[in-house]
Amino acid sequence: DSGVTQTPKHLITATGQRVTLRCSPRSGDLSVYWYQQSLDQGLQFLIQYYNGEERAKGNILERFSAQQFPDLHSELNLSSLELGDSALYFCASSVDWAESYNEQFFGPGTRLTVL
Amino acid sequence: AQKVTQAQTEISVVEKEDVTLDCVYETRDTTYYLFWYKQPPSGELVFLIRRNSFDEQNEISGRYSWNFQKSTSSFNFTITASQVVDSAVYFCALSEPPGANSKLTFGKGITLSVRP
Repeated sequence: DSGVTQTPKHLITATGQRVTLRCSPRSGDLSVYWYQQSLDQGLQFLIQYYNGEERAKGNILERFSAQQFPDLHSELNLSSLELGDSALYFCASSVDWAESYNEQFFGPGTRLTVL
Repeated sequence: AQKVTQAQTEISVVEKEDVTLDCVYETRDTTYYLFWYKQPPSGELVFLIRRNSFDEQNEISGRYSWNFQKSTSSFNFTITASQVVDSAVYFCALSEPPGANSKLTFGKGITLSVRP
């Protein structure tokens, strides 16, 4: 158990819908990262938050957005869903992005299926 | 731009065989970090090892060993005397130094099947 929790574990929805994925980082970790794992794109970085502020953006679609709340949990919002958004979405957390190393601990993932 | 290449996509071995998973990376940074993660059939990502670019010592942990060679930009992973429980997808990843974008850039992964 990495200490990172993600809810829900599975999500099935229809095209055009909007969903919210939730992540609680390990206790003490200030940084949260979101990754998408799909069959065609592999594991891709989406976005990083540090202590409530966006720090880095990867290949995140405009239909997707994220935020990190004062209690450090994070939510990834996916809207106008398409079939191609079906994937496993991972959240990871690390202590501090400015530390000498940045080991990221991954949550169990949320499997999103868009029908 | 950073890039990680895992040229092997699937490997199948018989239990007790040794197997090496290859990883080649590209980066312009002189300071960087390399990682291996394991993804078993249950789906979670399990951290195996982290290496920084200044430490080229090989590492051994039980049946696992890692060979880091800066000269060839490779960070290969060997499992000795493989077991069925080693069956998983293995990802090599690269990270820029802290203070920059600390995202992980992953390779496509290698699916390892260990047959009894």
